[in-house]
Amino acid sequence: EPEVTQTPSHQVTQMGQEVILRCVPISNHLYFYWYRQILGQKVEFLVSFYNNEISEKSEIFDDQFSVERPDGSNFTLKIRSTKLEDSAMYFCASNGGQGVLSNTEAFFGQGTRLTVV
Amino acid sequence: GEDVEQSLFLSVREGDSSVINCTYTDSSSTYLYWYKQEPGAGLQLLTYIFSNMDMKQDQRLTVLLNKKDKHLSLRIADTQTGDSAIYFCAESTNAGKSTFGDGTTLTVKP
Repeated sequence: EPEVTQTPSHQVTQMGQEVILRCVPISNHLYFYWYRQILGQKVEFLVSFYNNEISEKSEIFDDQFSVERPDGSNFTLKIRSTKLEDSAMYFCASNGGQGVLSNTEAFFGQGTRLTVV
Repeated sequence: GEDVEQSLFLSVREGDSSVINCTYTDSSSTYLYWYKQEPGAGLQLLTYIFSNMDMKQDQRLTVLLNKKDKHLSLRIADTQTGDSAIYFCAESTNAGKSTFGDGTTLTVKP
């Protein structure tokens, strides 16, 4: 069964450092997402990406965050200067669809646990 | 904006049925999902239902959707201790993004 894969599974970084979280969405999917889950809290939407541009972002997704699809398979989330409060589990997701409607079910990766020290 | 609500805790005895409830506000929801999350782990998709369905059964899991009341439930038959986890309800629309509830912590007592 196709799946969304994320690497690394756990990353520890020092405050102020840049991190890049990597995701390989399902190959024929067109819509890509990042979500965040702070420990003990709910899963929160960060950003959606379609046709090589951001289609929607939440207020959490400020200037320190960026996303990129550098090639035909990877989808990355970069945090420029990490803060302690960026420590969380980050989930990537993708779904298919046609045109502007992402009308298939979403598939989530297993997450990357980011710890900022 | 979209909102998804769940009760925070549910405790049942092993062998009983568990029913976890969820309400949502977005009438344009296309898919409704149930995820299971064990401590420190990722999200495991248990099941999902398309909004034009009212029931879906998959082995011990039964999902009921009342679209008029925007109410979704997950019933786990013959609940086992291994079912202890946090269960998240989520909805997505044709715009794609998913909105999650706060999660229901299910505790199964032997």
